[in-house]
Amino acid sequence: GDSVTQTEGQVALSEEDFLTIHCNYSASGYPTLFWYVQYPGEGPQLLFRASRDKEKGSSRGFEATYDKGTTSFHLRKASVQESDSAVYYCALSDGGTGANTGKLTFGHGTILRVHP
Amino acid sequence: GPKVLQIPSHQIIDMGQMVTLNCDPVSNHLYFYWYKQILGQQMEFLVNFYNGKVMEKSKLFKDQFSVERPDGSYFTLKIQPTALEDSAVYFCASSFGRRSGNTLYFGEGSRLIVV
Repeated sequence: GDSVTQTEGQVALSEEDFLTIHCNYSASGYPTLFWYVQYPGEGPQLLFRASRDKEKGSSRGFEATYDKGTTSFHLRKASVQESDSAVYYCALSDGGTGANTGKLTFGHGTILRVHP
Repeated sequence: GPKVLQIPSHQIIDMGQMVTLNCDPVSNHLYFYWYKQILGQQMEFLVNFYNGKVMEKSKLFKDQFSVERPDGSYFTLKIQPTALEDSAVYFCASSFGRRSGNTLYFGEGSRLIVV
């Protein structure tokens, strides 16, 4: 079945550091890829998504590029802020075409802590 | 952005009793989902629902679980009877369509504690 692997379980940075969270996926077909962010006590919120090879998604200074060749969708931000502290999930959707039902498959999540 | 509302936000229940978790999805959405998150762990898919029917369910969706959306009201997850391992946060989500790019919008979760 489909799967998403996030390499980093926890990342600790200082403000203005560069962030990379690695995400690799395994899926049949051509999934849509997502990054969600979850703050304490809340549900996951969409950060952005990408549907095609080489497409770049971005929001609030975060970005990731869909790479079908390396099956990756790594999250990056040039300069993090304390307010970025949260859990970040990479996810994929089977797109819901044909026999697929459109559910999201999540990675394990990466806890980001940014210190002032 | 679009809001999914969940009621209750917290519930403590005795093992063996029944619990119903309610979800008010985004108004024009057609597809509905439940996910389970045990503290500190990943989001795990339970079930999705469309046009009055379950589309897909995972192995976590035990026989004691059921979902329905009677007459377009709340989308509900019922657990009967509850077990200790059902303690978790349950997230409801909805989406407009399940074509490529299907974006799920999540509620804030219902924290269930089974004692």
